[in-house]
Amino acid sequence: NAGVTQTPKFQVLKTGQSMTLQCAQDMNHEYMSWYRQDPGMGLRLIHYSVGAGITDQGEVPNGYNVSRSTTEDFPLRLLSAAPSQTSVYFCASTLGGGLGTEAFFGQGTRLTVV
Amino acid sequence: GIQVEQSPPDLILQEGANSTLRCNFSDSVNNLQWFHQNPWGQLINLFYIPSGTKQNGRLSATTVATERYSLLYISSSQTTDSGVYFCAVVGYNQGGKLIFGQGTELSVKP
Repeated sequence: NAGVTQTPKFQVLKTGQSMTLQCAQDMNHEYMSWYRQDPGMGLRLIHYSVGAGITDQGEVPNGYNVSRSTTEDFPLRLLSAAPSQTSVYFCASTLGGGLGTEAFFGQGTRLTVV
Repeated sequence: GIQVEQSPPDLILQEGANSTLRCNFSDSVNNLQWFHQNPWGQLINLFYIPSGTKQNGRLSATTVATERYSLLYISSSQTTDSGVYFCAVVGYNQGGKLIFGQGTELSVKP
């Protein structure tokens, strides 16, 4: 099992450009989520999904779109990048269900917007 | 929403020393995890511990859910233990939405 795979690992964008950060998991997990980490801070939730076709906003959703057409994939879209979106982005997946279960994270994508 | 507070924010140790990191949370949770973020930025799962005590080598963790805190113990620290330690929780009926603390930055000197 590869676990949670994020691509790309690094990306530089110009202000106003769009891009999609990819996240895939091969553990048949129901829940997937995106976080951003800014210097000296913990991770903050951007968007999450509890299953294919179901998404919702987290703490810092502005400027980001998501969709979940399959169980395995949960891409994060930046429609018009801004310097404030310079950050490290992490994708996570969790088995799901009624009880809490362990979350697993991808390696992260370091994004710089100039 | 749930608040997560970690202490201390920074810690400098001599190699071989022991340490205790604390995580306080403001409401009942059904998931609590400890992570180590290494100097390369990777998040490494240390413990999934919504309650009770677990041990893994030189590391152990205890969560007292009724009193809303968790402790991470590092014994005989090594330079490779350096990095940031995060505590994260999920509230009841909150899906997989982890709420992170601000982290404890640990530096182990040789």
